[in-house]
Amino acid sequence: GQNIDQPTEMTATEGAIVQINCTYQTSGFNGLFWYQQHAGEAPTFLSYNVLDGLEEKGRFSSFLSRSKGYSYLLLKELQMKDSASYLCAVPSYNTDKLIFGTGTRLQVFP
Amino acid sequence: GAVVSQHPSRVICKSGTSVKIECRSLDFQATTMFWYRQFPKQSLMLMATSNEGSKATYEQGVEKDKFLINHASLTLSTLTVTSAHPEDSSFYICSARTGLTDTQYFGPGTRLTVL
Repeated sequence: GQNIDQPTEMTATEGAIVQINCTYQTSGFNGLFWYQQHAGEAPTFLSYNVLDGLEEKGRFSSFLSRSKGYSYLLLKELQMKDSASYLCAVPSYNTDKLIFGTGTRLQVFP
Repeated sequence: GAVVSQHPSRVICKSGTSVKIECRSLDFQATTMFWYRQFPKQSLMLMATSNEGSKATYEQGVEKDKFLINHASLTLSTLTVTSAHPEDSSFYICSARTGLTDTQYFGPGTRLTVL
């Protein structure tokens, strides 16, 4: 089967760094996605990791360890607009679907 | 690139009417499109997967006769909520992917309110 775990909620301060963790169990691995979803809006694609290591994209970086079934999303220099839900997702092993975690709701305070 | 549009963005209708939502991939050909529903403060729930030119595959518990999906071309899929009722009020989101990667690109969503 496939399962994704991520914390439900996190809080952080403007200007700080926050790390959102995601662990997954999957029958076959074909990459891991991170999406950002602001309240009342649709998700937007942030990153896709298929190889181990850290991929940096501006203030956001995503890390993957396939052997540990673990990923994290690192947000630097937090801004108020980063308050959103962050969804971790992996492709389903034998279908076209993405399996989403429940999302981590991040609140950034001044 | 990878822009997906949805229309309408918001719709209010009376109970018993049908509502059609369009999902278009604007700058790529989408071999597969997905329809999700999301209630306030809840997770995305996949309703169905549709491949161009074939019947949609519905998730367990989703009534295919109530939620009609048509994927007539590589850039357009439609979801029709038939005989809508207040409990169908929700945020409906489509996504699209090419056949090359698993990345799904989401439309902006359609907020349906059934009175």
